[in-house]
Amino acid sequence: GENVEQHPSTLSVQEGDSAVIKCTYSDSASNYFPWYKQELGKRPQLIIDIRSNVGEKKDQRIAVTLNKTAKHFSLHITETQPEDSAVYFCALGNQGGKLIFGQGTELSVKP
Amino acid sequence: DTEVTQTPKHLVMGMTNKKSLKCEQHMGHRAMYWYKQKAKKPPELMFVYSYEKLSINESVPSRFSPECPNSSLLNLHLHALQPEDSALYLCASSQDHGTGEAFFGQGTRLTVV
Repeated sequence: GENVEQHPSTLSVQEGDSAVIKCTYSDSASNYFPWYKQELGKRPQLIIDIRSNVGEKKDQRIAVTLNKTAKHFSLHITETQPEDSAVYFCALGNQGGKLIFGQGTELSVKP
Repeated sequence: DTEVTQTPKHLVMGMTNKKSLKCEQHMGHRAMYWYKQKAKKPPELMFVYSYEKLSINESVPSRFSPECPNSSLLNLHLHALQPEDSALYLCASSQDHGTGEAFFGQGTRLTVV
C-alpha cells in the first residue's frame, strides 16, 4: 500500500545555509508529490509540487527533485531564512484519490 | 477565493455528546477530505469524497460519520467519542482527487472530556 518515509525528523541550519529533506515511497502508482509547510498553530500550505513526468522543479529558493526509478523525492531550500522555520511534510497522491503525508521534518533556521 | 472554511474553530464535547464539524469551499473543487492531526504528527487521512460520493474510508471508527450535502459542503458528525479522539480535524479540498493541490482549512481543535 501507500507508505512514505521522510528524513530527517529534525533539521537545524544556520541562516543562509541550505536545507534538504528527503522522502522515499513504495507505491509505483503514486504520481503526484507535493510538499507542505505547516507553521505552529496553522494549516498546512502547499509550497511546491511535482508530477511524475517531471524530474525537477524550482520556485525561487525552493526546489524539488524526483527520482521515480529509485522512488524518492527531495525538497531543497537555499539561502534559508528564520521565517523558513516550520514543519515540512512531503506527501504522495495518486489517481485512487489518497493524499498521504510523510512524518514531517521540523526545520529550525538559526539567525 | 482560495479559502476552505471550517467551523467551529474549537470544540469541547463530552463522551456522550453529538456534535458536527463543518467545512465549506467555493472553489468548485470536486474532491474533499477529512484529516485528523495529533500534536507533532502528520495529518492522517480519514475520508475522501469525490463528486459528492464517499470514495475512501480509511477504516475510521463508526463514531465518526461524514456527510457531503452538496459540492461545497462537507460535514463530520461525531458521536460517543473517546478522549483519544482529541485532535485537530482538518478539512481539505482539491480540484482532482489525490493528484492536485489540496487547500486546507484552519481546522477544528477538538477536545473530548
